[in-house]
Amino acid sequence: DQQVKQNSPSLSVQEGRISILNCDYTNSMFDYFLWYKKYPAEGPTFLISISSIKDKNEDGRFTVFLNKSAKHLSLHIVPSQPGDSAVYFCAASGGGTASKLTFGTGTRLQVTL
Amino acid sequence: EPEVTQTPSHQVTQMGQEVILRCVPISNHLYFYWYRQILGQKVEFLVSFYNNEISEKSEIFDDQFSVERPDGSNFTLKIRSTKLEDSAMYFCASSEEQGARSPLHFGNGTRLTVT
Repeated sequence: DQQVKQNSPSLSVQEGRISILNCDYTNSMFDYFLWYKKYPAEGPTFLISISSIKDKNEDGRFTVFLNKSAKHLSLHIVPSQPGDSAVYFCAASGGGTASKLTFGTGTRLQVTL
Repeated sequence: EPEVTQTPSHQVTQMGQEVILRCVPISNHLYFYWYRQILGQKVEFLVSFYNNEISEKSEIFDDQFSVERPDGSNFTLKIRSTKLEDSAMYFCASSEEQGARSPLHFGNGTRLTVT
């Protein structure tokens, strides 16, 4: 069951540059998308979200873009900082009031000095 | 900032034994969840719980699993007879409202190792 896919298991970016993490989904019933960040030995932490009625949501250094026709979303981090080094999970939720999240496999981001 | 706490951080058990994983959700949250992550795989939904009832469960959450809110603060996951494939990191989460628009707050997880 690969309804949410993150095809890049890892990404390395220099400090100050842009990090772009990608996510694809197959289920057209998904209407809300979230990004979570996870440090080792900790639980996932909510980062940013976007509703399917929007194509962009911005919060400080973090911007999420949604392309519904392509069933694709991306997370942009500008500028990247060493503290951003973590595993980033894309998650999706479908219809109604259900809270069940379907997660991708994660992308490990390393921000180098 | 209030947080979800889980105990123990690591639990080792023998196959066939019962385990209880414990969680204290954020105090004003009403919706509770268990997720798990098998090593190297994605985080998977197990169950959601509201008003002392299961509101949704996945196909993973079979008769070997149960959840309970035994008092006003704890939320537990019981696995009746553990199998090797139950070895995973188990995350408890809570949210203020129902729906993905109320972000889930996760605990740091319990690593369950079944030998």
